[in-house]
Amino acid sequence: EAQVTQNPRYLITVTGKKLTVTCSQNMNHEYMSWYRQDPGLGLRQIYYSMNVEVTDKGDVPEGYKVSRKEKRNFPLILESPSPNQTSLYFCASSLSKTLANTGELFFGEGSRLTVL
Amino acid sequence: AQSVTQLDSHVSVSEGTPVLLRCNYSSSYSPSLFWYVQHPNKGLQLLLKYTSAATLVKGINGFEAEFKKSETSFHLTKPSAHMSDAAEYFCVVSDRGTYKYIFGTGTRLKVLA
Repeated sequence: EAQVTQNPRYLITVTGKKLTVTCSQNMNHEYMSWYRQDPGLGLRQIYYSMNVEVTDKGDVPEGYKVSRKEKRNFPLILESPSPNQTSLYFCASSLSKTLANTGELFFGEGSRLTVL
Repeated sequence: AQSVTQLDSHVSVSEGTPVLLRCNYSSSYSPSLFWYVQHPNKGLQLLLKYTSAATLVKGINGFEAEFKKSETSFHLTKPSAHMSDAAEYFCVVSDRGTYKYIFGTGTRLKVLA
């Protein structure tokens, strides 16, 4: 089954304790991205990757890191989490955009992170 | 620059009546436009997408949207609401040739019995 898998789905942690949220897709998609969802703000892009070893900042990258060493995986790293990073996080992937492909996003189920 | 505005944060309709969720966008280039639905505690699912092939786009579960360039709008409609349509809906714009996806702030649809 084609899917985007995120882990963990739920996590409670404390300020400053490094954590990683994993994301994996099995659709051979080149494009992957991370979003955070906060009430009243919709989804905001954190980082995205157009291919292996190619990443770029989205609209809210502060406090986050990413890496893309393999095509299927795109982990989100919080080196020193703070309470303002409490949020619902989504990973998404897409085929490359071409004239024939509009690049619709396929989403994971989300990871709810609470930082105390 | 891209932007998207969902004009209503909450919409309530009675079951069996039409649904209208409004979305206006701003785009520097020819945009790709999407509507996604999010049911409680779930990820986002694509409802429909505008590909420039046709201005009236049909999606899943009876939803459709019309791309109106002159009005920079991409409103989502459904002729008859069902209880299972209760969810949050997001309008998304992405300029062709870019990998930036801009989400609206969402419209929460409530369907009354």
